[in-house]
Amino acid sequence: ETGVTQTPRHLVMGMTNKKSLKCEQHLGHNAMYWYKQSAKKPLELMFVYSLEERVENNSVPSRFSPECPNSSHLFLHLHTLQPEDSALYLCASSHIAGEGYEQYFGPGTRLTVT
Amino acid sequence: RKEVEQDPGPFNVPEGATVAFNCTYSNSASQSFFWYRQDCRKEPKLLMSVYSSGNEDGRFTAQLNRASQYISLLIRDSKLSDSATYLCVVNRRNYGGSQGNLIFGKGTKLSVKP
Repeated sequence: ETGVTQTPRHLVMGMTNKKSLKCEQHLGHNAMYWYKQSAKKPLELMFVYSLEERVENNSVPSRFSPECPNSSHLFLHLHTLQPEDSALYLCASSHIAGEGYEQYFGPGTRLTVT
Repeated sequence: RKEVEQDPGPFNVPEGATVAFNCTYSNSASQSFFWYRQDCRKEPKLLMSVYSSGNEDGRFTAQLNRASQYISLLIRDSKLSDSATYLCVVNRRNYGGSQGNLIFGKGTKLSVKP
């Protein structure tokens, strides 16, 4: 299934590194999302983009910096992360942001911060 | 009260069994309801939407009780391949405004044994 793709699938980085996660959706959607999923916790919404405009930022630390150059692509730039940031980072897309539409997820990037 | 609450399980059932999952939500203005399925170390995938009149898709039946703010998922004739975590999802309606983004429950783990 190639509706929403994410790269890389796995990433190990040191606390001083800078890396970026990439997401691409092929569904013609106008909204894209970043979620964090840690063990034994529900999905945590991080950022919401609607037509390349950030419409929600849920108190995410500044070491996470999103970028949405167009409605099909979404990036999450990472720098000076902490070990507790290790998690599965999921990208999703939907028809329109904030209107209760179902979301479709990418396979995720499993991030380990050492 | 949590926005979306589910019994974490695990539910361990034999093949062929019928199993029911329950979910409660706190926002009485919510309008969108879904069940997602998440396999181990994979992304959540939409299983079915939940409609007021209830809906069925093969062996899966979803029910909504707005008065009690309660959603259920019934799986009949369980298969080994049904083993996964089932996520209850509700939109966070903004009163007088948009339908809001989706809120994911922590999930109920199902393990179907031979």
